[in-house]
Amino acid sequence: EADIYQTPRYLVIGTGKKITLECSQTMGHDKMYWYQQDPGMELHLIHYSYGVNSTEKGDLSSESTVSRIRTEHFPLTLESARPSHTSQYLCASSDVASNEKLFFGSGTQLSVL
Amino acid sequence: KNQVEQSPQSLIILEGKNCTLQCNYTVSPFSNLRWYKQDTGRGPVSLTIMTFSENTKSNRRYTATLDADTKQSSLHITASQLSDSASYICVVSDRGSTLGRLYFGRGTQLTVWP
Repeated sequence: EADIYQTPRYLVIGTGKKITLECSQTMGHDKMYWYQQDPGMELHLIHYSYGVNSTEKGDLSSESTVSRIRTEHFPLTLESARPSHTSQYLCASSDVASNEKLFFGSGTQLSVL
Repeated sequence: KNQVEQSPQSLIILEGKNCTLQCNYTVSPFSNLRWYKQDTGRGPVSLTIMTFSENTKSNRRYTATLDADTKQSSLHITASQLSDSASYICVVSDRGSTLGRLYFGRGTQLTVWP
């Protein structure tokens, strides 16, 4: 069982609201990632981090932002949610010791009305 | 065009039967290939990793193969169980960066019926 946790599991909000999806891991991994997944589609990388104070945008254009102030914590923020943001958001971590195997959280299913 | 293609898109089998899932990729250069299992409503979990020099690797009832020449991999599940019902995702890593970019397939949705 991976020691990586996401909250909330489910979130239903109205358009225009600001939200933060939480992700924490206790494995001491340097690298952390946020992926977006729609049903029947591949995972798309939206943000990643190599370590504290390091964040990069991924392949998928996103209106979200991330921060990495502590090794274990990698929250994702949407300043103004829109219906197009409705999706499953998966947080993951990895390190060299695990041969960069991704450890995923259980995900946050976001619905924007 | 996705550089990792999986087939079939979905599969239904009876409990106790075997099945084989396919993954074809065009990613180059190639570093490794992983198979992940994703239960409904959960995050993916790694089943096995295949590197360039490995042809076959087994993990309990799962056997993965890799043909780096034809850029094909398969995941064979033996004596399927109801708990095998999940999406199986093929992920290929290149050597283009220190991190190694990951290319995800769309997964094969496996349903095991009693």
